[in-house]
Amino acid sequence: AQSVSQHNHHVILSEAASLELGCNYSYGGTVNLFWYVQYPGQHLQLLLKYFSGDPLVKGIKGFEAEFIKSKFSFNLRKPSVQWSDTAEYFCAPRAGKSTFGDGTTLTVKP
Amino acid sequence: NAGVTQTPKFRILKIGQSMTLQCTQDMNHNYMYWYRQDPGMGLKLIYYSVGAGITDKGEVPNGYNVSRSTTEDFPLRLELAAPSQTSVYFCASRSGGALRPLYGYTFGSGTRLTVV
Repeated sequence: AQSVSQHNHHVILSEAASLELGCNYSYGGTVNLFWYVQYPGQHLQLLLKYFSGDPLVKGIKGFEAEFIKSKFSFNLRKPSVQWSDTAEYFCAPRAGKSTFGDGTTLTVKP
Repeated sequence: NAGVTQTPKFRILKIGQSMTLQCTQDMNHNYMYWYRQDPGMGLKLIYYSVGAGITDKGEVPNGYNVSRSTTEDFPLRLELAAPSQTSVYFCASRSGGALRPLYGYTFGSGTRLTVV
């Protein structure tokens, strides 16, 4: 069975701080990993995805993630967060293969 | 087993035909969603529901309709199938409400639809 786990349930940062949200996966075979964001009152939006190739993936809004096979990780990063980044973040395998995790709630203080 | 059940798993439609994708969850979740996932892409929200009798459009609602007469069921209707609707469709649910936090999503296993 494919599964991912996120380390932090709630992260609080000040504006301009750097962000790294942890995600570990635990399945073999073809690895497809996604990071989604859900802003307050909205629904899931795709931030970035990894299918193959360059392990450093750049997404929208300045986010990036690095796929490290040896560590089974796909951590999400942003050098400098803004108040508007306050949202829930989900690391996920391809839908249908597993349940999305609880996600990480990021609160950015102005 | 508790979870989200989608039927059918596979379907081939001819252009102009209609069909209903069924979705049922037995976790008493308030929120239910229909997403589609095209090859190499992430999920796109078609419709969602925050409770029985309440539905609303997502990003890509055109060509689809939904209803939510019970908490458990959230069927997705395609009225006039078009090749652009060839995709994998996922139903999902999530608990939560005004006084309860939202937890993780539970997805169904998907319906692979081909329109020819």
